[in-house]
This record gives sequence, structure tokens and C-alpha cells, in this order.
Amino acid sequence: AQTVTQSQPEMSVQEAETVTLSCTYDTSESDYYLFWYKQPPSRQMILVIRQEAYKQQNATENRFSVNFQKAAKSFSLKISDSQLGDAAMYFCAYLTGTASKLTFGTGTRLQVTL
Amino acid sequence: EADIYQTPRYLVIGTGKKITLECSQTMGHDKMYWYQQDPGMELHLIHYSYGVNSTEKGDLSSESTVSRIRTEHFPLTLESARPSHTSQYLCASSETGRRSEQYFGPGTRLTVT
Repeated sequence: AQTVTQSQPEMSVQEAETVTLSCTYDTSESDYYLFWYKQPPSRQMILVIRQEAYKQQNATENRFSVNFQKAAKSFSLKISDSQLGDAAMYFCAYLTGTASKLTFGTGTRLQVTL
Repeated sequence: EADIYQTPRYLVIGTGKKITLECSQTMGHDKMYWYQQDPGMELHLIHYSYGVNSTEKGDLSSESTVSRIRTEHFPLTLESARPSHTSQYLCASSETGRRSEQYFGPGTRLTVT
């Protein structure tokens, strides 16, 4: 079975600084997708960034980028120029190529301070 | 925000009551999902559907049931609520493609007393 591990229950970053959230996963499959989702307090979960396993190039979306290390099964999220609105729970998720089911990590609560 | 809706947003109900949590989406997505999320914890898939008249159990065992009679509607029912069912329930939907993003509803926070 696939597992997703987020080893940082909580992180804190100052506004305008950069923070990296860690995620590792375990799988025997070669075709899969990885996601970072953001869940703000009392608001809907939204997709932050997506990475296809077959792509070597790391995905980027504005201030958000990933460091995808396939051999190490690592998928970290870097948030640059952090903003107060980035404060949320961040979930790393793995999606199998066949069943299209998401497996989530336990989440990292990110605080952004002034 | 995505066009996926859940009602009610909050529900407090007594033990033994039958409840239905509603989920609807206006994006025409074939795939829909129900997740259970305890406070500060990860999401666990409890049910999913590939389309009308298709329902499957997820990775986490649940006493709830679901139905998919219309593409846009995916309700979840608990025949007899118990305190152990207290949790947040999130509905999601996605297009058919394997790499498709899942869009989440706002969730229903259920408390069974």
C-alpha cells in the first residue's frame, strides 16, 4: 500500500521569507502523480501544485515550487516570499495511475508571522 | 473557488438518528469522492464513484452508504448515527482523466451526541 509521510506537524515562517515543507512517500509503482493541497482555516481545500512522476523537471506555480527526487521518493514544497494568506494546513498527496485515488499525508500546519 | 457544494455545513445530532449529507457539483465531473477527516488529521477516502450507478468503498471502512443516481449528486447516508461518527466529511470531484485535479467542497462538520 502507498503511504505518504509529512514529518513536520507545524512550521513557522516570517512574512516575505522562504519555507520548505517536507514530504516522502512509499510506492512500488512507476506511474503516479503527486500533489500539494492547501486547506485554509474553515475554507475549502485547494490544489497548490502538481507533479507527474515521469517528468524530471520540477513543477512551479508562481511562488510555489517543488523539489521532486524520484529515487529518494521525496516531494518537498518551497514557498517563496511568504504571505499572510499562505497560513494553512498543507497536505501532500499521492495519486495512483490506475484507481485515481488520493492518499494523503498527515499535513503540516504553516504559520506566517509578521 | 470550485463549484462543489455541501450541505449542511455543520450538524449536531443525537445518537440513533438517520442523516444524509448532501454533495453536489456543477462541473459535470464523472468522478466523485467522500473523505473523512478528523481535526488536524489526514483525509481518508471512504467512498468513491466513477459515474452514475457506480459506487465503491474506499480505503477506510465506514458504516455510511452512498448513491449516485445523477452525475451532479453524491449523497452520503448514515442510517443510525453514533458518537464515533463525529468527524468532518469532505466531498470532492474530478474529471475522468488520470491526472485530473480533485476539487473539494467546504465540508460538513458532524457532531453526534
